[in-house]
Amino acid sequence: GNSVTQMEGPVTLSEEAFLTINCTYTATGYPSLFWYVQYPGEGLQLLLKATKADDKGSNKGFEATYRKETTSFHLEKGSVQVSDSAVYFCATRGGAGNKLTFGGGTRVLVKP
Amino acid sequence: DVKVTQSSRYLVKRTGEKVFLECVQDMDHENMFWYRQDPGLGLRLIYFSYDVKMKEKGDIPEGYSVSREKKERFSLILESASTNQTSMYLCASNKQGARGNYGYTFGSGTRLTVV
Repeated sequence: GNSVTQMEGPVTLSEEAFLTINCTYTATGYPSLFWYVQYPGEGLQLLLKATKADDKGSNKGFEATYRKETTSFHLEKGSVQVSDSAVYFCATRGGAGNKLTFGGGTRVLVKP
Repeated sequence: DVKVTQSSRYLVKRTGEKVFLECVQDMDHENMFWYRQDPGLGLRLIYFSYDVKMKEKGDIPEGYSVSREKKERFSLILESASTNQTSMYLCASNKQGARGNYGYTFGSGTRLTVV
């Protein structure tokens, strides 16, 4: 089945720093790729997605590009804010049952 | 605003109790899912359902069962709660069709503690 590996956290940054969270996947075929965000005390929210190779998903200043050649979907933001402190999950959808498979999550803490 | 609602945010139960976690969605979604979230392990799929009265095992179904009697409601049942089932439980739903283009809508989660 599909699997997702993302960098372990926590990642601690200062406000306005550049954020990268690495995500690689293994899958058969052409899975869709997602980034979800979980703010403290809340459920997961879809942050962005990409459904085919070279697609770029973007939202709230975050971007990720579907790289089929490197099986990666790294999340980036050029200037983080304290409000970006959250846990970020990379996920792939596809394979048997077309279900979402999540990475382990990366906690990001942005300090003022 | 469309949403997935989980009946309890926090729950404390005793070992051996039968526990019901309820989830309701108002989006007329065909698919519903139950995950548990544990530190360092991410989200792991327990059970899912593609339609009323249908259920499929996920990756970690042991110790759990589910019920889907109505399209909008998907219940997770712990037949005899144990301390290793202390976790955050997340319900999600999504629409059938359009291959891979649909993400999931998640509820806010139920943090269950078994003592």
